[in-house]
Amino acid sequence: GAVVSQHPSRVICKSGTSVKIECRSLDFQATTMFWYRQFPKQSLMLMATSNEGSKATYEQGVEKDKFLINHASLTLSTLTVTSAHPEDSSFYICSAPLTGTNEKLFFGSGTQLSVL
Amino acid sequence: RKEVEQDPGPFNVPEGATVAFNCTYSNSASQSFFWYRQDCRKEPKLLMSVYSSGNEDGRFTAQLNRASQYISLLIRDSKLSDSATYLCVVNRDGAGTALIFGKGTTLSVSS
Repeated sequence: GAVVSQHPSRVICKSGTSVKIECRSLDFQATTMFWYRQFPKQSLMLMATSNEGSKATYEQGVEKDKFLINHASLTLSTLTVTSAHPEDSSFYICSAPLTGTNEKLFFGSGTQLSVL
Repeated sequence: RKEVEQDPGPFNVPEGATVAFNCTYSNSASQSFFWYRQDCRKEPKLLMSVYSSGNEDGRFTAQLNRASQYISLLIRDSKLSDSATYLCVVNRDGAGTALIFGKGTTLSVSS
């Protein structure tokens, strides 16, 4: 079945550094990818919708200059957390639907970010 | 009002019990409905889609009431392996749009 590969799975970084998270669709083309964030004991919160070849659509309250999203190809979307702070420590997870459907939504395995 | 709201939980039940989870959603334009299961610090996994006519998959039964914007999940004969967080999920509107997750309800099944 379709697979979404996300890495790294875990990142520990110093405050002020930038962290890039990659999400790849391995055997299908994903024109759209969704980025979520999950704090402990909270739900997955949609951060942004990444669209291949165009600007991402951010949810209300998500800073687009802090969370840079690039979807340069049909199989790769990246999320860069710029100038990370401890409050950015969270579980970040991407997902990609088969085009035109929500019936098949594939998730990456997630990235646990810890900012010291 | 939150887009998707669920029972707060947690639910602690013995093996063999029947447990029901409820969920409401706010966007009447939502077209697709799901229950996902998430184990600690793992990606969520699709448990089942929810259809208007109601549907069953083994010990799991899902119901949808579009008029009330209400979704339910019934688990019969609970197993230890059912212990997880159950997420009520709806899409924002049409096909291909983002999935919106409820906060989740934690189920703990004990022997």
